Formats: sequence, structure tokens, C-alpha cells
Amino acid sequence: AQSVTQLDSQVPVFEEAPVELRCNYSSSVSVYLFWYVQYPNQGLQLLLKYLSGSTLVKGINGFEAEFNKSQTSFHLRKPSVHISDTAEYFCAVSGSNQGAQKLVFGQGTRLTINP
Amino acid sequence: DAMVIQNPRYQVTQFGKPVTLSCSQTLNHNVMYWYQQKSSQAPKLLFHYYDKDFNNEADTPDNFQSRRPNTSFCFLDIRSPGLGDAAMYLCATSRGVLNTEAFFGQGTRLTVV
Repeated sequence: AQSVTQLDSQVPVFEEAPVELRCNYSSSVSVYLFWYVQYPNQGLQLLLKYLSGSTLVKGINGFEAEFNKSQTSFHLRKPSVHISDTAEYFCAVSGSNQGAQKLVFGQGTRLTINP
Repeated sequence: DAMVIQNPRYQVTQFGKPVTLSCSQTLNHNVMYWYQQKSSQAPKLLFHYYDKDFNNEADTPDNFQSRRPNTSFCFLDIRSPGLGDAAMYLCATSRGVLNTEAFFGQGTRLTVV
């Protein structure tokens, strides 16, 4: 089975500062990794995903994430945040083989951007 | 254009009174999921359909049922809602199950009074 740990429940950042949201996973099989964003009272929207290939993946809204297999991490980064980035961010993992493909979410990180 | 549509956005129901939440999709995706998300928690998968095949999570209470009459629609039925069932319910779809992006609806916030 897969599991995801998001190490920070809340991250306050000043506008235009860089941010990193941390995500670690555990799995006995190869994985696919995702970051989703959820704005208040909305569904989840995919920011980016890692399936294979280059370990640095770029997503929407200027976000990127790096897959690190040795550290079992998939941290999300943005070099300069905006007020509009205030939201809840979820890291998710699914197994890459049949029978292990359920999407499992971390607990979420609430990103608050202060002016 | 909205691709996964959930109705209603907000639902208030009485304790013990059956309630149905609906989800429709215009993506023609094979898989439809129902998640429960309680306040400040991660979404928790209740069940999913792969075409007509229903897959229930082991820890989903019997109080929760689902129907998928056709590709486009999926319903979540809560037979006897309790106060603990108050949550945001999220519907999602994906083309397949492996390595494919899940598209989420806006969610239905259920309040039980």
C-alpha cells in the first residue's frame, strides 16, 4: 500500500517570496505522484504530475516539483508566490501496477500568502 | 466549460433522512470516483466505478451506496445520514485508473441537522 506524508500543515509566506511544500511517500511498488490545489469550497485541480522520465516536472501557475527516489520525496516549489496562490495543496500517490492504483492523498498543506 | 458537474453545491438534510448527491461528466471517462472530505482533512476514497464495475473501499460504511446508470452519471446515496457524515463530497473522473489525471467536480457540501 502507498502512503503520503505532508510535513507541514500550514505554511505562511510573504508575497513574492519563494516557497517549498514538502511531501514524502512510501510504497512497495513504483509510483506515480501528483500535486493538487484546492481553493476554498472548490474541487481539486491538478498542478502537476510525475509519471516517468525527467525528475523535474513543471506544472501550471509557475509551480514545479522534483521527484527524488532515494529520499522518497516529491517537494513542490515556486520561486515567487502571489496572493492568489493562497489555497490548500495536496500531494497524492498511486501505485504503478494493477491492484495498487488507488490515489492516496496526504493531509494537505495550507499555504497562506501575506502581503 | 465545466467537465465534472456536481449537484447540488450545498445540501442540507435531516438526521436519518436519505439523501442523494449527483455527479455528471462530459469527458466520457471510464472511471468515476466518490471521495469524502471532512474539514481540514485529505479526501478519502469511498468507492469507484470502472465502467459498470463497482469497487468499494473496505472501510466505506454500508450507509453509503452508489449507482452509475450510464457513462455520464453517478450518484452517491446516503441511506441514513448521521452527524458524522457532514462533509464535502467530491466526485472525480479519469480515463483509466493507472497514471491518468483525475478531474474533480466542485464538490457538494453536505450538512446534517
